[in-house]
Amino acid sequence: DTAVSQTPKYLVTQMGNDKSIKCEQNLGHDTMYWYKQDSKKFLKIMFSYNNKELIINETVPNRFSPKSPDKAHLNLHINSLELGDSAVYFCASSTTSGSLSYEQYFGPGTRLTVT
Amino acid sequence: GQNIDQPTEMTATEGAIVQINCTYQTSGFNGLFWYQQHAGEAPTFLSYNVLDGLEEKGRFSSFLSRSKGYSYLLLKELQMKDSASYLCAVGNTDKLIFGTGTRLQVFP
Repeated sequence: DTAVSQTPKYLVTQMGNDKSIKCEQNLGHDTMYWYKQDSKKFLKIMFSYNNKELIINETVPNRFSPKSPDKAHLNLHINSLELGDSAVYFCASSTTSGSLSYEQYFGPGTRLTVT
Repeated sequence: GQNIDQPTEMTATEGAIVQINCTYQTSGFNGLFWYQQHAGEAPTFLSYNVLDGLEEKGRFSSFLSRSKGYSYLLLKELQMKDSASYLCAVGNTDKLIFGTGTRLQVFP
């Protein structure tokens, strides 16, 4: 059984287009995340949702809009794609308790290439 | 500010022991995590330290000193499949802040 799944795995698109990436987890976790991993392999948090509520927004351009229809799903919509958006986007989930974060489980990643 | 430092690359020989260091300066701390990431794959959780000392998990051990802002990951009896990037991450309230990762190459 896949714990954290993302679709699509690869996404190639042109500048200016709008695209979405979907993420689902079946671990029963209450917190989900989006990360961006650039060409230098640096993994940086973008957003975090806890029980469908946005709790972290790390100064990401407002072209990026996450949506969590329920606590098992967190989607990422990107408007007006730019060359600099090319990266691997990882979804992750975890259990949290108060202010403590526990180990996060990552999805397989979506490699976005903007041409 | 948030600063997490790791060596960029390391090499080692199959069967040997390697220690990957991580130093951190962050505004908050609620645990130190180590993740393994093979090329083209997702990071996978290896270990978690919240108190000072050594945590052992099979061939992998992780150490933490909170007063020194220092952790290391120790890999014993290295195997070829251990060639991967190792990411140090600090838990800061409800998020993880990752270091830039250490790429380990294991040679026969």
